[in-house]
Amino acid sequence: AQSVTQLGSHVSVSEGALVLLRCNYSSSVPPYLFWYVQYPNQGLQLLLKYTTGATLVKGINGFEAEFKKSETSFHLTKPSAHMSDAAEYFCAVSDWVTGGGNKLTFGTGTQLKVEL
Amino acid sequence: DAGITQSPRHKVTETGTPVTLRCHQTENHRYMYWYRQDPGHGLRLIHYSYGVKDTDKGEVSDGYSVSRSKTEDFLLTLESATSSQTSVYFCAISGTTEAFFGQGTRLTVV
Repeated sequence: AQSVTQLGSHVSVSEGALVLLRCNYSSSVPPYLFWYVQYPNQGLQLLLKYTTGATLVKGINGFEAEFKKSETSFHLTKPSAHMSDAAEYFCAVSDWVTGGGNKLTFGTGTQLKVEL
Repeated sequence: DAGITQSPRHKVTETGTPVTLRCHQTENHRYMYWYRQDPGHGLRLIHYSYGVKDTDKGEVSDGYSVSRSKTEDFLLTLESATSSQTSVYFCAISGTTEAFFGQGTRLTVV
């Protein structure tokens, strides 16, 4: 079984500060890992993904994440927060091996607040 | 945005009534999914489909059924709605890697 743990249900940063959202996963197969962002009353938008290859992946809006197999982590970072980054962020791991395409297991989400 | 349309976007229904939510895609993706989103739980998989008439259960399938008679449509039915099924429901589609999500349906069971 797969699982995802997101540390910190709420994170607050100042505008211009580093954003760090933590994600640890458990998977019995090589994982596909994703970060999604959700703005109020909207669906989920893909920020970035790791499947194979380079462990540092870059996404939209200046976000990036690094896959660290030894730490079973996939933390999301952005060097400088902007007010528009305020949203809820979800880390997810895909069970792509056992069939069913990309069945995702999500973390419980981290609400990011950006303050002036 | 990926071509995914969910209907209705909002619905209020009474306990014990049947409810059907519709997901329509224009991307011709093989895989379709229904998730529910609840505070403190993130999103949880209800059912998914890997082709026309091919469906399987997810993590929280009790009280739900699905059908897929055409590639583009995936229906989620609550046979007899309960208050515990008050939630936001998301449809998703995927090809080989990432999944794309619809805008969601907010369902309230009173």
